[in-house]
Amino acid sequence: EVQLVESGGGLVQPGGSLRLSCAASGFIFSSYWMTWVRQAPGKGLEWVANIKHDGSERYYVDSVKGRFTIARDNAKNSLYLQLNSLRAEDTAVYYCATNHYYAFETWGQGTMVTVSS
Amino acid sequence: DIQMTQSPSTLSASVGDRVTITCRASQSISPYLAWYQQKPGKAPKLLIYKTSNLQNGVPSRFSGSGSGTDFTLTISSLQPDDFATYYCQQYNSYSWTFGQGTKVEIK
Repeated sequence: EVQLVESGGGLVQPGGSLRLSCAASGFIFSSYWMTWVRQAPGKGLEWVANIKHDGSERYYVDSVKGRFTIARDNAKNSLYLQLNSLRAEDTAVYYCATNHYYAFETWGQGTMVTVSS
Repeated sequence: DIQMTQSPSTLSASVGDRVTITCRASQSISPYLAWYQQKPGKAPKLLIYKTSNLQNGVPSRFSGSGSGTDFTLTISSLQPDDFATYYCQQYNSYSWTFGQGTKVEIK
C-alpha cells in the first residue's frame, strides 16, 4: 500500500524554525518527484515546494523562497521541509504528496504547524 | 504568476443532479490541469489529471475537459458521497497553482 506519513509539526514562535518529515512506503520513492502543499485553517490549498526524484532540482512558491528548504533522503525513503523565519501566515496543515503528470497523486494525512507567540 | 479562478464558489445541488464546476486561468496554460476532492478534516483526493484523465479508482461519473484558459469538472449524476469541496490545480513552468475551491452542498 502506498503511504505517506508526515511528522514534525507543532507550535512555534514567530521567527522560529521547524523541520517537517514525510516517511514514504509502498512505492519506489527514488523514482518520484515529491511535493509539499499547505492549507491554512479554513482556507484553500497552496503549493509550497517540489523536488525532483534525485534532489537535483527544487522549486518554491514565492512566499517561502529563502525561508523554506525542501530536501529528500532516498536511502531513507524520506522527504523533508525545513521551515525558518516562520511567520503567523505560515500557520497551516502541511501535506506531502507524490507527483503524477504534474498533479499530486498520493497525499499524507498532514501535520499542523502553528506560528504564534 | 498564473491565477486560477473557480466558479461558482458554492454550489447547492441534489442527488442525481448534473454538476459543472469551471476553472479559468489568467493566461493560456498547458494541459496539466488537475481536479481534487476534499472532505472536512481529510487530505485532498486526486480525481482528474492532465485535463481529462480519470485517476485510478475514481468513479466514471467524474469527467474533465477544457483547453487554453477554460476547464471544467463535470459530475454526471451527483451522489451522496460527492458533497465536498473541489479544487482545480495547474502546472506551468515549474510553478503550481490551485483555484480557491468550490463547495458542493446539499440543496
